[in-house]
Amino acid sequence: EDQVTQSPEALRLQEGESSSLNCSYTVSGLRGLFWYRQDPGKGPEFLFTLYSAGEEKEKERLKATLTKKESFLHITAPKPEDSATYLCAVLPRSNYKLTFGKGTLLTVNP
Amino acid sequence: EAQVTQNPRYLITVTGKKLTVTCSQNMNHEYMSWYRQDPGLGLRQIYYSMNVEVTDKGDVPEGYKVSRKEKRNFPLILESPSPNQTSLYFCASSPLAGGDFSYEQYFGPGTRLTVT
Repeated sequence: EDQVTQSPEALRLQEGESSSLNCSYTVSGLRGLFWYRQDPGKGPEFLFTLYSAGEEKEKERLKATLTKKESFLHITAPKPEDSATYLCAVLPRSNYKLTFGKGTLLTVNP
Repeated sequence: EAQVTQNPRYLITVTGKKLTVTCSQNMNHEYMSWYRQDPGLGLRQIYYSMNVEVTDKGDVPEGYKVSRKEKRNFPLILESPSPNQTSLYFCASSPLAGGDFSYEQYFGPGTRLTVT
């Protein structure tokens, strides 16, 4: 069974204080790993897709990286508007069933 | 505007009364999916569909039915709702690029269901 574990569960940062969120996964052959952002009361919003170890994607203050066992979402000089829950998900090669982690709640204080 | 719509947005019902939550997308996406989100359990996939008349189970399909008779619509059916199906439900769609996923899933606004 595919598993996704995200850590920490919650992270509080000061504005400008860079940090990383972790997503550890086990899957029988990775088709893709995905990062989403979710604001309270809203549906998740797509951020990145990573397909193979060594791949990196960037968008504004966010950078996602992938190894064979985990992915990191690096947040550089965060702003209060980056506050949200960040979700990681994996898709196996064997089917199209998507498994999500429980998310990391990020709070950025001004 | 490209979007996924869900109806109703809020629903309070009683145990055993059949209900349907509709989902529609206007982006001509092949892939559609239903999720439920519960505190402490995260987002879990209920069913997904690769295209018209092609559906498959996710991690938590028990107590739910789906159908995909048209490409744009993917309704979620609860034949006999129970209190443990009280949850926040999301529908999502994604294009298939070259036979595989680009996986930029677009999520609907959510349906908050309460079963008493």
